[in-house]
Amino acid sequence: GAGVSQSPSNKVTEKGKDVELRCDPISGHTALYWYRQSLGQGLEFLIYFQGNSAPDKSGLPSDRFSAERTGGSVSTLTIQRTQQEDSAVYLCASSLRGANEQFFGPGTRLTVL
Amino acid sequence: SQQGEEDPQALSIQEGENATMNCSYKTSINNLQWYRQNSGRGLVHLILIRSNEREKHSGRLRVTLDTSKKSSSLLITASRAADTASYFCAFMNSGYSTLTFGKGTMLLVSP
Repeated sequence: GAGVSQSPSNKVTEKGKDVELRCDPISGHTALYWYRQSLGQGLEFLIYFQGNSAPDKSGLPSDRFSAERTGGSVSTLTIQRTQQEDSAVYLCASSLRGANEQFFGPGTRLTVL
Repeated sequence: SQQGEEDPQALSIQEGENATMNCSYKTSINNLQWYRQNSGRGLVHLILIRSNEREKHSGRLRVTLDTSKKSSSLLITASRAADTASYFCAFMNSGYSTLTFGKGTMLLVSP
C-alpha cells in the first residue's frame, strides 16, 4: 500500500517568505508527527496530532511555525517569515493509534537563501 | 531537551564484520526503538524493545536494553555494504506518545 508522502521534495525560498509543506499520512493512521532534521543531526520533534485531540505543539521552535491537520488526514506545516536557520529536512511520520512504530515520509528539504 | 546520546558518531568496518552502536538516555521509558536512514531522507523502523525486555532479535539485528544503566545497544552481525546508513535510537518516555531521537551513528561498510 501507499506509504507516507510529502511534498514538495525540495523547496528553495528567500529569507522572509512563507512556505507550506504537505504531508499525506498512511490511510487509517490517526497519529501524525512532524520532525526537523538539520545537517548531520538527529530528529527534532515539532508537533504531534492524534485523532481529534488538541495537538501537542511543544516542539515548535517559534511562533513562526504552525501546523494543521484537516479531516484527520493531510497535514500542512507552515513556516512564516523564513530564516536561514530554518533550512533543514522536514520529516513527517504517521502511526496507528496506540502503536509505537512510526512510518516516515521521504521528507522535504527546505533551503532558505 | 532529553535527546538521546549515541556512540560512536561514526563507524567504519569491512563486510562480514559485526557493528555495534550504543545509545543512552536519561528518563524513564516505555520502549526504545532503532531506525535506519539512508541518504538523509526518510527513516525506516528496524526494531522495538520494551522497557520490560532485555534482549530482542530480528534477523541479523540484536538489541539489548539495560534500564538500570539507561542504555541500549544495536548489534548488526555479518554486515553488508548495503547496511551502510545512519542508525538512530529513539525512545518513548513514560506517559508520552512522542519519540525522542538520538543524534545517530553513521555506519560505513566497505566491500
